[in-house]
Parts: sequence; structure tokens; C-alpha cells
Amino acid sequence: KNQVEQSPQSLIILEGKNCTLQCNYTVSPFSNLRWYKQDTGRGPVSLTIMTFSENTKSNGRYTATLDADTKQSSLHITASQLSDSASYICVVSATSGTYKYIFGTGTRLKVLA
Amino acid sequence: EAQVTQNPRYLITVTGKKLTVTCSQNMNHEYMSWYRQDPGLGLRQIYYSMNVEVTDKGDVPEGYKVSRKEKRNFPLILESPSPNQTSLYFCAVAPDRLGGIGGYTFGSGTRLTVV
Repeated sequence: KNQVEQSPQSLIILEGKNCTLQCNYTVSPFSNLRWYKQDTGRGPVSLTIMTFSENTKSNGRYTATLDADTKQSSLHITASQLSDSASYICVVSATSGTYKYIFGTGTRLKVLA
Repeated sequence: EAQVTQNPRYLITVTGKKLTVTCSQNMNHEYMSWYRQDPGLGLRQIYYSMNVEVTDKGDVPEGYKVSRKEKRNFPLILESPSPNQTSLYFCAVAPDRLGGIGGYTFGSGTRLTVV
């Protein structure tokens, strides 16, 4: 069964600290993996996309990694800011006749001053 | 500016009263989709459309209808809403089903409460 699991469910950190969010997937055959940021009450916004051959991709203070062998991805946030408070959703795409876009349940991050 | 516009943002209705949530895009994208988001379950696809007059069921289509008569609009119709359809709904738009480089562009959401 195609699944995307994220951990932790929620996380609280102090402003300026770094954090890492995890995504494990069992999606096959793998096409790509995206990280989205979702502010409360708003639609998700794409942060990064990674294909099978990519190990690392950065978008400002956000750095995503992908290990296609272990089917794991992480999103590292450097020098957190209050505006980073949001849910972060991992989405894995599978192509097997019918294309699937499978969402994780997200990690809710709270950054405190 | 590229936009996906959903209306209304908030809606409270009674069981059985037909309602429509509208979604409009100015990006000239072919792919449009509806999702619902519930606590602990993540985003689940209701229906999607690959192009005008082409629609198909997602993972949770029961109780919903859609139409795609023109490229820019993709309304979500609840013929007889029930309390289990209380949820946060999102319209998503992309150049194609794969999402393109930028991924899906989501609307701002519609919070629906059925009492």
C-alpha cells in the first residue's frame, strides 16, 4: 500500500534554532517527492521538488534531502523564524498506469520567540 | 498574478441543502483537482479533471459531484450535504497531473460546516 508517514507530528522550537522534519514513504514506483508549507487556514505552497537522482535541494533556509534507497526524506530548517510556524507536508508521486499524488499528514511546527 | 480563487471561504449549512463551492484559475492550466483535509488524515483527493469535459474520481468521491465546462472553472457540488462532509476543502491547479516544476497551486480553502 502506498503510504507517506511524517514525524514528528508536532514540534516546538525557539526562534533561531534549527530543526529537521522526517518523511518515510512506501510509494512505488517512485516519481518525485515534494515538500509543501501550509500556513494555518491557507492552502499548501510548494517548497522543493526532488526526483530519484537528487540527494539534496535547497530553497533559502530550507534544505531537503532524499535517500531513495531507504525511502526517506528530511526537511532541515536553518535559523528558524517566527514565520516558519506552519505545517510541513511531504508529498510523494507514484507512476504506475494511474498517476498518484500521495500526501503525508504533515508536521506542525511552532516557533517561539 | 497567478491565482486560484475559491468561494466561499467559510460556509455553514444544514443537512440536505445543496451547495456549490467554486474554484477559478487564471493560469490557463489543464489540471484541476479538489481535496478535503481533515485532522490526522491529511489531504485526500475527491475529484480531478485533466481537461475540459474530462473528470474522474479521486479517493473519496462519494457525496460529491464536479463539472468542467470551461478551462478556468471547476466547481464542487454537494447535492445533499451530510455532517461527515464537514471539512476544509482545497482546489488545486497544475499544468498537468504530475504538478510541473512548481507543484500544485492551491486555493485559499473553504471551511465547510454541515449541521
